[in-house]
Amino acid sequence: RKEVEQDPGPFNVPEGATVAFNCTYSNSASQSFFWYRQDCRKEPKLLMSVYSSGNEDGRFTAQLNRASQYISLLIRDSKLSDSATYLCVVNGGGGSYIPTFGRGTSLIVHP
Amino acid sequence: DGGITQSPKYLFRKEGQNVTLSCEQNLNHDAMYWYRQDPGQGLRLIYYSQIVNDFQKGDIAEGYSVSREKKESFPLTVTSAQKNPTAFYLCASSTRGPGQNSYNSPLHFGNGTRLTVT
Repeated sequence: RKEVEQDPGPFNVPEGATVAFNCTYSNSASQSFFWYRQDCRKEPKLLMSVYSSGNEDGRFTAQLNRASQYISLLIRDSKLSDSATYLCVVNGGGGSYIPTFGRGTSLIVHP
Repeated sequence: DGGITQSPKYLFRKEGQNVTLSCEQNLNHDAMYWYRQDPGQGLRLIYYSQIVNDFQKGDIAEGYSVSREKKESFPLTVTSAQKNPTAFYLCASSTRGPGQNSYNSPLHFGNGTRLTVT
């Protein structure tokens, strides 16, 4: 089983739609969690950290479910500019801090 | 403004030549990382460093070498032993590294170097 798994998609949605991605992780001792956004041929950029109680930043909501070992990202009112690949990153656990990346989920928002 | 600078942005080399990719940060971060990304693939860890003069192999270190003589700098050399060097190389840093009991630091990335070997 891979350490961090994501559905690669692509998720193809119309503008204004709500879309959600999940990311599962295998190390139950993992300590911190992040969502990054990566545009084509660019570096990943931090979208948001994921806190235990869940957190929201504008149209984006991140949640953590430790019992089931997954994190989620919800995007409301999708914009064309949201089209990108969304990477899940899991840190820590078992004496290792090394950030582990999922392979990313591709989102395409169309008019 | 603080950040991470990778250079060059594009690099072309002939097969059999070693090439060094530069990564400099002025964020005063302790930990630095090198990742490789192939088309349609995720990021794979090549090397990482927690502190000056110390570094560890990641998942795909074969054919690569690094040094960490200064806190600000973590250059990556792609040697002729690397079988498939053509890729997008990303350098990153964070405020805390492994074993320092601080897991909450996200990675900051440079703009990347796109290496093509023919």
